[in-house]
Amino acid sequence: DIQLTQSPSFLSASVGDRVTITCRASQGISSYLAWYQQKPGKAPKLLIYAASTLQSGVPSRFSGSGSGTEFTLTISSLQPEDFATYYCQQLNSYPSFGGGTKVEIK
Amino acid sequence: QVQLVESGGGVVQPGRSLRLSCAASGFTFGTYTMHWVRQAPGKGLEWVALISYDGDKKYYADSVKGRFTISRDNSKNTLYLQLNSLRPEDTAMFYCARAMGGGYFYGSDYWGQGTLVTVSS
Repeated sequence: DIQLTQSPSFLSASVGDRVTITCRASQGISSYLAWYQQKPGKAPKLLIYAASTLQSGVPSRFSGSGSGTEFTLTISSLQPEDFATYYCQQLNSYPSFGGGTKVEIK
Repeated sequence: QVQLVESGGGVVQPGRSLRLSCAASGFTFGTYTMHWVRQAPGKGLEWVALISYDGDKKYYADSVKGRFTISRDNSKNTLYLQLNSLRPEDTAMFYCARAMGGGYFYGSDYWGQGTLVTVSS
């Protein structure tokens, strides 16, 4: 099974900050990686698929990069509505999720 | 618009069974791979199972293999998850989700609101 390790697991940041979250896979997954945002009491929302493709309707301040085993999600200028938990998901084999990164207000 | 509505959750004793349903609308259900994903209270997301558009391929997480069964009825636009031999650690919100594009390689673009399963004596 492919394990995904997200770092950091917790992040404190201010509005306007540039934020980067890393997701490392235990083996190569090509570009079969997605990123989700989840707010309390809500279902996850797809942000990025195929490692770097922005899902329709998602603000351009979100971007993804990477391939193989190392991936990043970047928020170029954190907005109040971005405080949430973020998950990566690999889809190269049986799907799995990373442990999540909670982004809180500093 | 695309809608996924889960139902069937509730409180159940350890060892008992439950069947979850996910009613789909607003898209051609029979052409999409579908997933079940769960989230224990205060914990992260865990992929549970997926089923191909025609029901031919089914894959399960090791934690549920042999106890849970995913199925679908394309004539009723409905996805199912049969949960048997339930354990307290199965307590979670269960979400159904639509896989984007062909296959399941690009993530899930639509999710239901979830149905809560609580396993407790």
